Amino acid sequence: AQSVTQLDSQVPVFEEAPVELRCNYSSSVSVYLFWYVQYPNQGLQLLLKYLSGSTLVESINGFEAEFNKSQTSFHLRKPSVHISDTAEYFCAVSERAAGNKLTFGGGTRVLVKP
Amino acid sequence: KAGVTQTPRYLIKTRGQQVTLSCSPISGHRSVSWYQQTPGQGLQFLFEYFSETQRNKGNFPGRFSGRQFSNSRSEMNVSTLELGDSALYLCASVSGVENTEAFFGQGTRLTVV
Repeated sequence: AQSVTQLDSQVPVFEEAPVELRCNYSSSVSVYLFWYVQYPNQGLQLLLKYLSGSTLVESINGFEAEFNKSQTSFHLRKPSVHISDTAEYFCAVSERAAGNKLTFGGGTRVLVKP
Repeated sequence: KAGVTQTPRYLIKTRGQQVTLSCSPISGHRSVSWYQQTPGQGLQFLFEYFSETQRNKGNFPGRFSGRQFSNSRSEMNVSTLELGDSALYLCASVSGVENTEAFFGQGTRLTVV
């Protein structure tokens, strides 16, 4: 069975400052890794994913995440946040070749202050 | 193309009643998964259906059940509702066998009173 830990439940950050959201996972098999974002009263939107290949993955809106196999981490970063980045962010894993079950971390609420 | 559609968006039920939630996946997607989101427990996997067969199941009591139709639409049923079943229920649509990208609906907010 796999598990996901997001080390920070809330992260306040000033506009234009950098932010890092930490995610560690535990699994006995190979996994796919994802970051999702949720705005109030909305579903989840995929931010970025790691399937294979380059360990650094980027999204179109400036976020990036790096897969570190030895540390079983998949931290999310953005060099300069905007007010519109205020949301809750979820790290998730799914086991390769084991269907479409996602295991989520507890979420990190990002509050961007002007 | 159209996204994942969940109906209804909001629902209020009384303890002891039953409820059915619906999810229409993206056209061509064969897998539908359901998740429960609560402030206390976070996002928890309920079950997954692929080509009308339940392929994975989470740790929920038998009061929670689901099914998938030949057009890939899925329904989730909760019987004998309890106050603790109040949650946002999310449906995810995936095109194939493996989860390389799940698309989520906006959810159904269920309130049990």
